[in-house]
Amino acid sequence: DAGVIQSPRHEVTEMGQEVTLRCKPISGHNSLFWYRQTMMRGLELLIYFNNNVPIDDSGMPEDRFSAKMPNASFSTLKIQPSEPRDSAVYFCASSLAGVEETQYFGPGTRLLVL
Amino acid sequence: AQTVTQSQPEMSVQEAETVTLSCTYDTSESDYYLFWYKQPPSRQMILVIRQEAYKQQNATENRFSVNFQKAAKSFSLKISDSQLGDAAMYFCAYRNSGGGADGLTFGKGTHLIIQP
Repeated sequence: DAGVIQSPRHEVTEMGQEVTLRCKPISGHNSLFWYRQTMMRGLELLIYFNNNVPIDDSGMPEDRFSAKMPNASFSTLKIQPSEPRDSAVYFCASSLAGVEETQYFGPGTRLLVL
Repeated sequence: AQTVTQSQPEMSVQEAETVTLSCTYDTSESDYYLFWYKQPPSRQMILVIRQEAYKQQNATENRFSVNFQKAAKSFSLKISDSQLGDAAMYFCAYRNSGGGADGLTFGKGTHLIIQP
C-alpha cells in the first residue's frame, strides 16, 4: 500500500507568490495533519482534519495560511502571499483515529521563499 | 499545554554498542501516547516505537526498547547493537488519547552519531 504522498517535493518561489502544497493520505485513514519543520521552531502542528473537517487550526501562523480537505483522499495547504520566513519543510501525516493512533508521515515538501 | 523535552542535542556511540536517548514530558492527562520517530538525512519521518500510557509493560521493537516511567514522566529510548543505519535525528513525541484525532507535540530532537 502506498504511503502518504506529498507534492511537490521541492518548491522554490519568490516572495509574494502563492504556494500550494498537496497531500494524499493513506487510503482508509480518517485523520490528516499538516506540520512544519524549521531549525528555529522544530516540528510544529499547523492544522489537522478528522473526517475531512478541520478540528484545530490554532497552529496556523497567520491568515496567509489556509488548508482544505475537499475529500478523504486529498488536502492542500496554501500560502498567499508567501514570505521568506515561510521557508521550511512541510509534512503531511495521516492516521486511522480510534483504531490505530500512529501518524504516518509523507516525505515532506521543502519550501524555499526567496 | 503539553511539552516534550529532549535534553541531549547530540549523542555519539560506537557501532555495536548501546545508547540511550532521554525524553521527558509534561502533561496533566492520565491517558496518552508516546512515540519515537527517526529522521535520517532524507528527512523522512519514520516511526521507531510507540507506547500507550495505560500499558505498564515497556514497548520493544527488535533492537529498540523504551523505559517508560509514568510517574516521573520519562520516556527514554534504548538502541542496542547500534548500526551505521541508526544515524539520524530522533524525535520524542506526545499525543493525547481520547476520541478522535489529536496532533503530536514534538521534542527538539537528538542527533545520533554512530562511530564505525
